[in-house]
Amino acid sequence: SQKIEQNSEALNIQEGKTATLTCNYTNYSPAYLQWYRQDPGRGPVFLLLIRENEKEKRKERLKVTFDTTLKQSLFHITASQPADSATYLCALVIADMRFGAGTRLTVKP
Amino acid sequence: DAGVIQSPRHEVTEMGQEVTLRCKPISGHNSLFWYRQTMMRGLELLIYFNNNVPIDDSGMPEDRFSAKMPNASFSTLKIQPSEPRDSAVYFCASSSESGLGGTNEKLFFGSGTQLSVL
Repeated sequence: SQKIEQNSEALNIQEGKTATLTCNYTNYSPAYLQWYRQDPGRGPVFLLLIRENEKEKRKERLKVTFDTTLKQSLFHITASQPADSATYLCALVIADMRFGAGTRLTVKP
Repeated sequence: DAGVIQSPRHEVTEMGQEVTLRCKPISGHNSLFWYRQTMMRGLELLIYFNNNVPIDDSGMPEDRFSAKMPNASFSTLKIQPSEPRDSAVYFCASSSESGLGGTNEKLFFGSGTQLSVL
């Protein structure tokens, strides 16, 4: 069956450290993958898109990798700040857009 | 731009009642999506439209759910009759790409409608 799994429901890290979130998928062959941020009571907000032929994409303190062999994407936030605390969702685009359940990140000062 | 606008923000209703959720996409966007989010199932795509035409409604859970897009600036999601298991946050999203599968697809979400069916 087709699945999108984000490594953990919650991740707690200390301010200044790098947060690494994982998105694994099975039985999909997405052309590209996206990451969104969702704050409580709000809709998801687009952060980054990475295509299947791209290994890595960066935007400011954010970095995304995409390994189609491992069927995995890693999402990194470097020099994390308490303001980065939110739920992060990965999304695969195939015939439609499927979202993972999300990882709730808490950055402690 | 005001972004995607959804109304109401909160809806509390009793089982068996009709519920109508509304969405105004970003002006100029030609794709519109309805999602449902619950703790158990996460974000699920219910239906999406391209140029006001429903493209894929396979995510609509059952016949009690219906969606319309009479013009480019308005869409509704209706549940009739509503049941307690329909309680969730319903999101509308729009995109400027020509439907899913575009090479630069990204979605802009509204703030959602929190639906509680008692």
